[in-house]
Amino acid sequence: QKEVEQNSGPLSVPEGAIASLNCTYSDRVSQSFFWYRQYSGKSPELIMSIYSNGDKEDGRFTAQLNKASQYVSLLIRDSQPSDSATYLCAVKVRSGSRLTFGEGTQLTVNP
Amino acid sequence: EAEVAQSPRYKITEKSQAVAFWCDPISGHATLYWYRQILGQGPELLVQFQDESVVDDSQLPKDRFSAERLKGVDSTLKIQPAELGDSAMYLCASSLEAFNSPLHFGNGTRLTVT
Repeated sequence: QKEVEQNSGPLSVPEGAIASLNCTYSDRVSQSFFWYRQYSGKSPELIMSIYSNGDKEDGRFTAQLNKASQYVSLLIRDSQPSDSATYLCAVKVRSGSRLTFGEGTQLTVNP
Repeated sequence: EAEVAQSPRYKITEKSQAVAFWCDPISGHATLYWYRQILGQGPELLVQFQDESVVDDSQLPKDRFSAERLKGVDSTLKIQPAELGDSAMYLCASSLEAFNSPLHFGNGTRLTVT
């Protein structure tokens, strides 16, 4: 079982729709969760971080964490063509440990 | 805004040659990471430094890869000899020491081994 798994892509949504990206992790004691966006040929950039169960909203982005189900998701509301990128889920187990990335989900927002 | 500096931006080398990458983290960031990202995959950690000490190099192919951060600031990652399968993006990142501090990535070095 992979440490961090993301829903297989690519994912295609029309402009203005909600894009839903999902991620599961294997280590039950994981404590920190991050979503990164990566444009083609560029390096990852941080979008959201979440540490407690529940929802965390930042503009059009909402991260959701359910530690009991070992599940973290990212919702993008009112999707824009500029949101077209690969979204990487990353998980950290404890202080000093590595940040482990999933394989990424490629999102395309169609005008 | 402070950035993580990496060089070179692109590197083409022949197999069996040596290659080196350099990274200068954001000032004050004690933790430095080297990741490798193969096209279509997520970044994979090669080595993690806390100041000048290695805290995780479990996935570093030590027969050919080496990394150092002698003064606890900038870092060098070396591959010798390079193999075709080493073609990838090599990403350097840094973070504050605090547990929940996010990683800030540099622009990466795109390595092509021919």
